[in-house]
Amino acid sequence: GAVVSQHPSRVICKSGTSVKIECRSLDFQATTMFWYRQFPKQSLMLMATSNEGSKATYEQGVEKDKFLINHASLTLSTLTVTSAHPEDSSFYICSARGGETGEETQYFGPGTRLLVL
Amino acid sequence: QKEVEQDPGPLSVPEGAIVSLNCTYSNSAFQYFMWYRQYSRKGPELLMYTYSSGNKEDGRFTAQVDKSSKYISLFIRDSQPSDSATYLCAMSAVDSSYKLIFGSGTRLLVRP
Repeated sequence: GAVVSQHPSRVICKSGTSVKIECRSLDFQATTMFWYRQFPKQSLMLMATSNEGSKATYEQGVEKDKFLINHASLTLSTLTVTSAHPEDSSFYICSARGGETGEETQYFGPGTRLLVL
Repeated sequence: QKEVEQDPGPLSVPEGAIVSLNCTYSNSAFQYFMWYRQYSRKGPELLMYTYSSGNKEDGRFTAQVDKSSKYISLFIRDSQPSDSATYLCAMSAVDSSYKLIFGSGTRLLVRP
């Protein structure tokens, strides 16, 4: 149990286009999901907290108009990188709170590698 | 000073060795402690979860939490080359909506 999937796993796009990343909790309902960004050889940086049915909460320094988050159901959250630029290239990982160990833990998806040319 | 400190390594050990990974923290409100394993280009995988102080064992892995010293550890017995990965400690508190605060991660290499 407690499986989280992400799609796509890799995406290459041209500068100026928008990219949508999906995060799904496959075997449990997640009222809260999180979106992280990770640079090479660094730890995870929390970008935003996504709550089902309400607006996302963004961390300081994260542009909410650049990174649009929608949590439309208890099993799906999406991150849209709008007007992507090369500096947005990174590894994006989502997590879902809950599952078999309860609300205190997070289960992570496999990540999405974004390359903006 | 970071809320959670973790030696980035790399830590290189021979196969079969006992590995000790550690984190220290400064926020006494942390109550939930986790260890994640992350392979290169993959998402973190939850290894161990501990609430408050004490020990927890799962197969070759043992997690220890000492809240009085603000110190947590992960021990890996009979280490295998497949254990080579980055290990991230993470912790959270009720009053911060369970947001995870991560250590920087320790890179572990187990040599055959």
